[in-house]
Amino acid sequence: DGGITQSPKYLFRKEGQNVTLSCEQNLNHDAMYWYRQDPGQGLRLIYYSQIVNDFQKGDIAEGYSVSREKKESFPLTVTSAQKNPTAFYLCAVAGEDTGELFFGEGSRLTVL
Amino acid sequence: AQKVTQAQTEISVVEKEDVTLDCVYETRDTTYYLFWYKQPPSGELVFLIRRNSFDEQNEISGRYSWNFQKSTSSFNFTITASQVVDSAVYFCALMGRRGAQKLVFGQGTRLTINP
Repeated sequence: DGGITQSPKYLFRKEGQNVTLSCEQNLNHDAMYWYRQDPGQGLRLIYYSQIVNDFQKGDIAEGYSVSREKKESFPLTVTSAQKNPTAFYLCAVAGEDTGELFFGEGSRLTVL
Repeated sequence: AQKVTQAQTEISVVEKEDVTLDCVYETRDTTYYLFWYKQPPSGELVFLIRRNSFDEQNEISGRYSWNFQKSTSSFNFTITASQVVDSAVYFCALMGRRGAQKLVFGQGTRLTINP
């Protein structure tokens, strides 16, 4: 199958715990992104990476960390420093030719 | 700064009615791209259209059409003869700098089509 795979789809976490969300792609695109969506709101950019071993903060990076050791993978860690982590997280990959972002199915994180 | 405004939070219409979703954007870039995405209840964002700032031609794809007007900084989306399957949240988005490819999203419009 081609595309973007996010896992897990649903995740529950206790306060004070770090959690890592996975994003894998086999589209061979360089640019990858993490967005956060809160109920009734649009998507806000957390981090993005345009090339392996390089990434940039987005608009709401505090309390999050990422790595980009492989082209196919861009995991997001939600740390205990993130005050309101309950949200829907979407990973995206950019198609260079069209400037279009392709999205994964999302991961819904709930902090108990 | 770049900004996208979707003033309509929720719209509800009866099936077969036409409906227009509004999108107004702000950017200082001379080259930019505008997008519409559909988010069904499953959560995944589905790409609908991309339009660059140099192409003001309206586009029609089946029951969907888009009206891009630079003079009013608007990129409105019309669904003709709406169907229940069109029910979703629709997002308008702006990409201001080609290199960074960062999308700025509006807050979305929840569209409900009633049978």
